[in-house]
Amino acid sequence: QSALTQPPSASGSPGQSVTISCTGTSSDVGGYNYVSWYQQHPGKAPKLMIYEVSKRPSGVPDRFSGSKSGNTASLTVSGLQAEDEADYYCSSYAGSNKLGVVFGGGTKLTVL
Amino acid sequence: QVQLVESGGGVVQPGRSLRLSCAASGFTFSSYGMHWVRQAPGKGLEWVAVIWYDGSNKYYADSVKGRFTISRDNSKNTLYLQMNSLRAEDTAVYYCARDKPMWLRCPFLCTGMDVWGQGTTVTVSS
Repeated sequence: QSALTQPPSASGSPGQSVTISCTGTSSDVGGYNYVSWYQQHPGKAPKLMIYEVSKRPSGVPDRFSGSKSGNTASLTVSGLQAEDEADYYCSSYAGSNKLGVVFGGGTKLTVL
Repeated sequence: QVQLVESGGGVVQPGRSLRLSCAASGFTFSSYGMHWVRQAPGKGLEWVAVIWYDGSNKYYADSVKGRFTISRDNSKNTLYLQMNSLRAEDTAVYYCARDKPMWLRCPFLCTGMDVWGQGTTVTVSS
């Protein structure tokens, strides 16, 4: 059982927006603004898409955005494109004296 | 270019040991913290361990604590994961990933894991 809870699947048509949630506790997501999101295509290594809740690394399209409210973080993909179809994982800092880093179970995003 | 390349994976019997390596290039390895993350077949990502840029601090997931040891040799630009007392449930693809640079005053993971290797596969089976 993963420490952070994500929906197993999400979907949307090209051009639409989809939001993926990531629910933790006050000891991880709710306690720190260090939530990051990763995209993983089949057979590939994960790729950082969002860090520090809402910041995008250089090269990540601005169609990807992140937010947080309480113990739940969210990743929104706007203007869906075929290449966005992938697995998405959230992770959170959970304190050096506790869990360290926790991941969500992952969400399979399907572009219809 | 910035690159991480893992090696050392293979098939090993339960109870035996294995050491993974992660060779870094294209950046100043000694200035960055580093993680190991694993992914069991068909499963999600699981954080394994993190080490400070200078090796002064290390943290582990409960599932590997006491069995795995993360270390680094900054003179060789290489990260290691010594895995002892291996179990079937340790079967996974193991990734190394870069953490924050030393000059940022924030906890590890504050910049996310921004560079990943391609992974090395460990299979624990008799």
